[in-house]
Amino acid sequence: DTGVSQNPRHKITKRGQNVTFRCDPISEHNRLYWYRQTLGQGPEFLTYFQNEAQLEKSRLLSDRFSAERPKGSFSTLEIQRTEQGDSAMYLCASSRKVLGKFFAGANVLTFGAGSRLTVL
Amino acid sequence: SQQGEEDPQALSIQEGENATMNCSYKTSINNLQWYRQNSGRGLVHLILIRSNEREKHSGRLRVTLDTSKKSSSLLITASRAADTASYFCAPEEGGSEKLVFGKGTKLTVNP
Repeated sequence: DTGVSQNPRHKITKRGQNVTFRCDPISEHNRLYWYRQTLGQGPEFLTYFQNEAQLEKSRLLSDRFSAERPKGSFSTLEIQRTEQGDSAMYLCASSRKVLGKFFAGANVLTFGAGSRLTVL
Repeated sequence: SQQGEEDPQALSIQEGENATMNCSYKTSINNLQWYRQNSGRGLVHLILIRSNEREKHSGRLRVTLDTSKKSSSLLITASRAADTASYFCAPEEGGSEKLVFGKGTKLTVNP
């Protein structure tokens, strides 16, 4: 297992274009989280999945953002009609919760290296 | 949602010195986690302390938790230049389904 993988690592796009990021979590992890982080700030929660079900979305996640996890494995985060304010690092993390209990006894997240988006 | 606030926002020390970072939070927690982030990278889990613990050690890391004051501290002893990173605390409420991070403490260890 190589940990949480995110692609692409860097994306430069023009305002108005659509972009998609992919996250491959640790294989036995059924929880998958997306965070956004801007310079000098901590990660801001965007959304999370348990298996294929999207259980919570932040109000930060405008209608231009959509996340999917169709088979309960990898996830995609799509941003439509990008704006300069979307420039940020998009972080994916995973954990495992089974029968109502987190595998590590707590919601310990394993993060990917992130996908950096620059909107020109 | 629970959120930890780290203090100081930035800390600069010399290699070999100890670094102490603090975290305050607002409500009851089950546990509190500390994460580290190298520049431009994802976060890495460092250590977890449960609400019924007062102190925990892991290598050069020492974490304390004072639930009466709703605060935690992370001590890195004998710091190295490689410890240069941002450090975030993440208090976890019972039943919390997500971690909420503060702005972190940016630690610089000068060689």
